[in-house]
Amino acid sequence: KAGVTQTPRYLIKTRGQQVTLSCSPISGHRSVSWYQQTPGQGLQFLFEYFSETQRNKGNFPGRFSGRQFSNSRSEMNVSTLELGDSALYLCASSSEPESSYEQYFGPGTRLTVT
Amino acid sequence: AQTVTQSQPEMSVQEAETVTLSCTYDTSESDYYLFWYKQPPSRQMILVIRQEAYKQQNATENRFSVNFQKAAKSFSLKISDSQLGDAAMYFCAYRTGDSNYQLIWGAGTKLIIKP
Repeated sequence: KAGVTQTPRYLIKTRGQQVTLSCSPISGHRSVSWYQQTPGQGLQFLFEYFSETQRNKGNFPGRFSGRQFSNSRSEMNVSTLELGDSALYLCASSSEPESSYEQYFGPGTRLTVT
Repeated sequence: AQTVTQSQPEMSVQEAETVTLSCTYDTSESDYYLFWYKQPPSRQMILVIRQEAYKQQNATENRFSVNFQKAAKSFSLKISDSQLGDAAMYFCAYRTGDSNYQLIWGAGTKLIIKP
């Protein structure tokens, strides 16, 4: 079974621009979560989607948004980019109704904002 | 709010020896899950081991085992017979058993394997 894929792997953007990152979960997984990883703040939860519905959202400004499609693929969007948005963005998928909800991660998208 | 603390920013161990990574957490929940994830320099986060809070038996996966002390809110990872491929950042993570699906992460421990 193919793992979680994320595109693009690397991205360089300028302050004020917007960016869209994509995540394809493992086949059969309907839950997709997004995390931001930075050296200063560590790993922080952005949001989680299941069956096209956002179930949870972390403490991030409204510039960060996401969506999930009927095939479980997910995108996240960051508008009006700031230097502090430079980070590794990780996507994870999990299957339900597994009670432990183990999450399987993609390789991440490295976003650099200049 | 739940928190996860990894007090060892960096650990080193000689190849073939045993090392223990510490993790403590704070929660008022009784139903939750704990995980150890490994992130090698390639950046792919990999699940190492998981523990359900309602299980008293410590989880084991080959050379990896945990010491889960629920009352003390401690969840340490023991790596036996350390190998060069074990070198990575190790993250402890917590998830509640309710409908909140996010993982709460520790700051991570960098594990160095000395040949």
